[in-house]
Amino acid sequence: EIVLTQSPGTLSLSPGETATLSCRASESLPSNYLAWYRQKPGHPPRLLIFGASARATGSPDRFSGDGSGTDFTLTISGLEPEDFAVYYCQYYGSSVFTFGPGTTVDIK
Amino acid sequence: QVQLQESGPGLVKPSEILSLTCTVSGASIRSYYWSWIRQSPGKGLEWIGYVDYTGTTNYNPSLESRVTISIDTSKNQFSLNLRSVGATDTAIYYCASSYRNNWHGTFDFWGQGTLVAVSS
Repeated sequence: EIVLTQSPGTLSLSPGETATLSCRASESLPSNYLAWYRQKPGHPPRLLIFGASARATGSPDRFSGDGSGTDFTLTISGLEPEDFAVYYCQYYGSSVFTFGPGTTVDIK
Repeated sequence: QVQLQESGPGLVKPSEILSLTCTVSGASIRSYYWSWIRQSPGKGLEWIGYVDYTGTTNYNPSLESRVTISIDTSKNQFSLNLRSVGATDTAIYYCASSYRNNWHGTFDFWGQGTLVAVSS
C-alpha cells in the first residue's frame, strides 16, 4: 500500500507570497495519476492539478505542479485570499484512490 | 457541468446501516465513475468505493467487507450502504465523479457533502 506524506503540515504566508507544498510517496508513482486539490472551509475539495503538472479546467495559472517518482510539488505563485485553505495530494493506483493528510496554508 | 447532491439521514445508531443517495444532474451517467468519499477529523479524506453505469463496483479494501454501492440509471442516482457502523464512521460523506475517458484517476466534481453522525 502506497502512503502519501505531505509537508509542511502548516505553512504561514502573506498574500502575494509564493507557497511551495510537498507530497512524497512511499514508493515511486507514475506521474499520470498524481493530483492536487484545494479545500476551503465548509466546501468539498476542488481539483487543481492532474497528471502531476496539468491544470484542471478553471484552475488559475498561479497553480503549478511538478515532480516525478516519489517527490511531487505544488507551487502557488502569488497567494490570493481564497488560496488560504487546505491542500491535498491524491494518487490512483492498483484500483485504489489514496489521499495525503493535507497541508494547511494560513495567513501569517 | 456535473452537479451532485447527497441525501440521507444525518444520524445513524451504532451497528445499524448508513444509507446515502447521490443524485446526478448535468451529465451522462455513462460517462463517469461514481464514487463515495468521506472525511473525518481522525482519518482525513478516505475513498470508499465507486460504481459505473453497468453496476460494476470497486471498493477500498479497508471497507470492502461492510460496503455496497449501487446505481439506478433510470433515476440518475447512486447509493451507499455501510453496514455495522461505529463511532469511527462519523464523517462528512461526499459523492464525486471521475471522467471515464482520458482517465487520470481524479475526482472532477464533488457534491457539497453531508454530515453523518453515528450515535445512540
